[in-house]
Amino acid sequence: KQEVTQIPAALSVPEGENLVLNCSFTDSAIYNLQWFRQDPGKGLTSLLLIQSSQREQTSGRLNASLDKSSGRSTLYIAASQPGDSATYLCAVEIVQGAQKLVFGQGTRLTINP
Amino acid sequence: GAVVSQHPSWVICKSGTSVKIECRSLDFQATTMFWYRQFPKQSLMLMATSNEGSKATYEQGVEKDKFLINHASLTLSTLTVTSAHPEDSSFYICSARDFLRSEQFFGPGTRLTVL
Repeated sequence: KQEVTQIPAALSVPEGENLVLNCSFTDSAIYNLQWFRQDPGKGLTSLLLIQSSQREQTSGRLNASLDKSSGRSTLYIAASQPGDSATYLCAVEIVQGAQKLVFGQGTRLTINP
Repeated sequence: GAVVSQHPSWVICKSGTSVKIECRSLDFQATTMFWYRQFPKQSLMLMATSNEGSKATYEQGVEKDKFLINHASLTLSTLTVTSAHPEDSSFYICSARDFLRSEQFFGPGTRLTVL
């Protein structure tokens, strides 16, 4: 059974710092890995999607890497801003009958002005 | 593009009543829709997967008679929580995917509170 773990569970840093969020998964047989952002009481916003054949994806100040063989992904946020405060969720897409997403527990990020 | 809406955004109901939540893909045809629930400060748990025109596939531990899912058209899926109880209070999120894309697009969620 695929399990996704995110470390740390919570992170608080001052504005302007670069930071790394970690995600690990137990089964390397994945279609893709996706990072999402969730604001309190809101739905999910997709940040980056990395196909299983890719190593990384970049969007603005965000960079996500994928090492499928070791079951790890990182989300790098450069020059953090208070508006980056949110919960970040990592999810892997697997096939068990149908294709489905398995989510980690999330990292609650707070950027302090 | 790829917008998914949910209605209502929040609902409060009395114990024992049924509640219907709608999920719509606004600018694409969703051959597959997914329903998730999220408890406070926890992650999303997949409840069921539905393909247009066929019965939903429920995850282990999800009661299909309690959580009725209908995906009768390519742009609409509904989740009905039957005989709701306080323990059904949660945040319900749907997502949708068409046959061309590999990613799911998520709705804004529905907050259900059962008194």
